[in-house]
Amino acid sequence: NAGVTQTPKFQVLKTGQSMTLQCAQDMNHEYMSWYRQDPGMGLRLIHYSVGAGITDQGEVPNGYNVSRSTTEDFPLRLLSAAPSQTSVYFCASSPRFLSTDTQYFGPGTRLTVL
Amino acid sequence: GNSVTQMEGPVTLSEEAFLTINCTYTATGYPSLFWYVQYPGEGLQLLLKATKADDKGSNKGFEATYRKETTSFHLEKGSVQVSDSAVYFCALKNMDMGRRALTFGSGTRLQVQP
Repeated sequence: NAGVTQTPKFQVLKTGQSMTLQCAQDMNHEYMSWYRQDPGMGLRLIHYSVGAGITDQGEVPNGYNVSRSTTEDFPLRLLSAAPSQTSVYFCASSPRFLSTDTQYFGPGTRLTVL
Repeated sequence: GNSVTQMEGPVTLSEEAFLTINCTYTATGYPSLFWYVQYPGEGLQLLLKATKADDKGSNKGFEATYRKETTSFHLEKGSVQVSDSAVYFCALKNMDMGRRALTFGSGTRLQVQP
């Protein structure tokens, strides 16, 4: 198993540009999520999904869209990039969202918005 | 709501020293508690977890005990190595909340010197 994969690893955007961060998992996990990591703030949840066709907002959803058309993929779209979205983005998955389930994280995408 | 508070870093230790990283939490109900580790340039990896009060999670020489009476989950290791240098995140999962996500602390950077 490749686990959780993310592309690209690095990206530089100009203000106003749009892009999609890709996330895929090959473990047949129902639950997937996106976090952003900012210095001194830990990780904050952007969006999550409990299964194909089902998504919901997290703590900081503004400026981001997601969709879950398949179990494997959970892309994150930035509609109009802003400097405040400069961050490291992590995708995570787990079998479900039970108390005992472990979440597996991808390697991250480092995004800079100029 | 849920929150996790960790001691601020960086924590700098000499090899073979004893490590404690404090973590306290606020949550309703009975959350599960986790420690994740992030090595430079990588994503988060689960280090250990505990799903109910008085449980002790352990892995790679690290230990943490779920103390409900003090709402704490402190991370300890008897003898650290240079390879333990990383950022450590305490997190909780609260099944009582509608939003299905981990709540993270801000992270504690550990630097181990030879």
